[in-house]
Amino acid sequence: EAQVTQNPRYLITVTGKKLTVTCSQNMNHEYMSWYRQDPGLGLRQIYYSMNVEVTDKGDVPEGYKVSRKEKRNFPLILESPSPNQTSLYFCASSFGRANTEAFFGQGTRLTVV
Amino acid sequence: QKEVEQDPGPLSVPEGAIVSLNCTYSNSAFQYFMWYRQYSRKGPELLMYTYSSGNKEDGRFTAQVDKSSKYISLFIRDSQPSDSATYLCAMPGNNAGNMLTFGGGTRLMVKP
Repeated sequence: EAQVTQNPRYLITVTGKKLTVTCSQNMNHEYMSWYRQDPGLGLRQIYYSMNVEVTDKGDVPEGYKVSRKEKRNFPLILESPSPNQTSLYFCASSFGRANTEAFFGQGTRLTVV
Repeated sequence: QKEVEQDPGPLSVPEGAIVSLNCTYSNSAFQYFMWYRQYSRKGPELLMYTYSSGNKEDGRFTAQVDKSSKYISLFIRDSQPSDSATYLCAMPGNNAGNMLTFGGGTRLMVKP
């Protein structure tokens, strides 16, 4: 089954404790991206990657890092999480660089206290 | 003004009704237009995408694009309670990253 898998689905952590949210896709997609979804602000892109070892900032990259060492994986790293990073996070992948037909993971609900 | 605007709703209709969901946008460079459905606590699910102007039909769903008015629509025929969700329009930008710009979503409730 074609899918984008994120882990964990739920995470509560404390301010400053480094964490990683993993994302994996099994569709051999080139394009992968991370979004956060907040009430009233909608979905906003954090980082994206158009291929292995190629990453770039989205609209709200501050406080986040990513890496793309393999085509299927695109982890999101919060080096020093803060409460304003409490949000619902989605990973997505799409076949071509035009980024049409993006497929989303099930989401990671992160709470930073 | 946001680049992509949607009425947040909620839009409440009886089962079997025809539903019209709309987005307006300001960037004339947008070429692809996507509609996503998002159930509560789930990831967005791609329903349809269209290129440039015109109509596209898939089962009970029809997507319509009017680039001259910068207006896109999603019609749902014979709406079902299972269609109750938030509907998001999205457009990849004409930039190096082709980043998606999303509307804020319209919440639809179909009552039995």
